[in-house]
Amino acid sequence: GAVVSQHPSWVICKSGTSVKIECRSLDFQATTMFWYRQFPKQSLMLMATSNEGSKATYEQGVEKDKFLINHASLTLSTLTVTSAHPEDSSFYICSASRRDGYTFGSGTRLTVV
Amino acid sequence: AQSVTQLDSQVPVFEEAPVELRCNYSSSVSVYLFWYVQYPNQGLQLLLKYLSGSTLVKGINGFEAEFNKSQTSFHLRKPSVHISDTAEYFCAVTGSSNTGKLIFGQGTTLQVKP
Repeated sequence: GAVVSQHPSWVICKSGTSVKIECRSLDFQATTMFWYRQFPKQSLMLMATSNEGSKATYEQGVEKDKFLINHASLTLSTLTVTSAHPEDSSFYICSASRRDGYTFGSGTRLTVV
Repeated sequence: AQSVTQLDSQVPVFEEAPVELRCNYSSSVSVYLFWYVQYPNQGLQLLLKYLSGSTLVKGINGFEAEFNKSQTSFHLRKPSVHISDTAEYFCAVTGSSNTGKLIFGQGTTLQVKP
């Protein structure tokens, strides 16, 4: 079946540094990728929608300059958390849309210290 | 725009008992509905989905859900739960295009007790 590979699965970084999270669709082309953020014991909040070759569309309240999304190819989308701070610590999940539904990555646990 | 409400934040149940996790949605257009399960520190696994056709949808692991348009509900059921069903369950909705934004409910923690 369709697989989205998300890396890294967990990362610890120092405050002020940037972290890049990658999502790759392994056996299909992901025209559209969604990025979600999930706080402990809470639901998934949509951060942005990225389409291959165009700028991402961010949800209200999400800082574009803080969360940089790049969808340069049909198989790769990246989320870069710039100048990370402890409040950016969270679980980030990507999701690729397909004709028959959505395929989710396994998530990235980001901890900023 | 669509929205989803999961009516129970936690559902405790004994092993081998039946369970129902409730989900109501709101939308001004036709919808597609999904149920996902999430285990700790993992991504989401699709249990089942309603796109069209029969309103009773059967999914993996013995789960099923019924789409009720008049009551705008999509409740998830399982006749007999196992300890391994303990997890977080999310109901989600998207509009008439199933490649659009997927909006999630708040989640329901299913706690299966021995």
